[in-house]
Amino acid sequence: ETGVTQTPRHLVMGMTNKKSLKCEQHLGHNAMYWYKQSAKKPLELMFVYSLEERVENNSVPSRFSPECPNSSHLFLHLHTLQPEDSALYLCASSQELGPPSGEQYFGPGTRLTVT
Amino acid sequence: SQQGEEDPQALSIQEGENATMNCSYKTSINNLQWYRQNSGRGLVHLILIRSNEREKHSGRLRVTLDTSKKSSSLLITASRAADTASYFCAPGNTGTASKLTFGTGTRLQVTL
Repeated sequence: ETGVTQTPRHLVMGMTNKKSLKCEQHLGHNAMYWYKQSAKKPLELMFVYSLEERVENNSVPSRFSPECPNSSHLFLHLHTLQPEDSALYLCASSQELGPPSGEQYFGPGTRLTVT
Repeated sequence: SQQGEEDPQALSIQEGENATMNCSYKTSINNLQWYRQNSGRGLVHLILIRSNEREKHSGRLRVTLDTSKKSSSLLITASRAADTASYFCAPGNTGTASKLTFGTGTRLQVTL
């Protein structure tokens, strides 16, 4: 496979469930990102990882827990979510993390519905 | 990082016409990128223009940058139904990490 892949593509979960989103990039990039896209809102940057170290956490609630075991994989662990967490979750990667800002490659997203 | 603001929010044109979208931002940038998102999918990078460039072309895309007005425009010529998507600009700030902040985008509808 090429590019950035995300699984699952669709996920429906109850508020008491625990699930994980997976992202994998096949581009040899060193930086990876999680974004949340809700209807009619700007894309929200959630987490930034560089060389497997978390470098940014944009005030994301603790019910979202990221994990980056290596530079090719990124997970988002979900537990006790709220209905307002329903959104499209996008993963992206870039060659490096640092100025100047470079092109990011996005996965197709996971459509999450919390019931 | 700063967020780009796209204008208009929505644009509907017929196939073959040109589509122009605008982006404004607030502080100095190193570059500015444009992305496209088809409905319910990830974003796809279209073009990057550096702060010392005024115009850049890629196929049917033409991007301009006016740093004095802190604005950019994306022109799609001879539009096709497949160009139907949302378009986002992402200003790349000077001296910051590779972190992009996106606005709500321009939703382009190209009809036959």
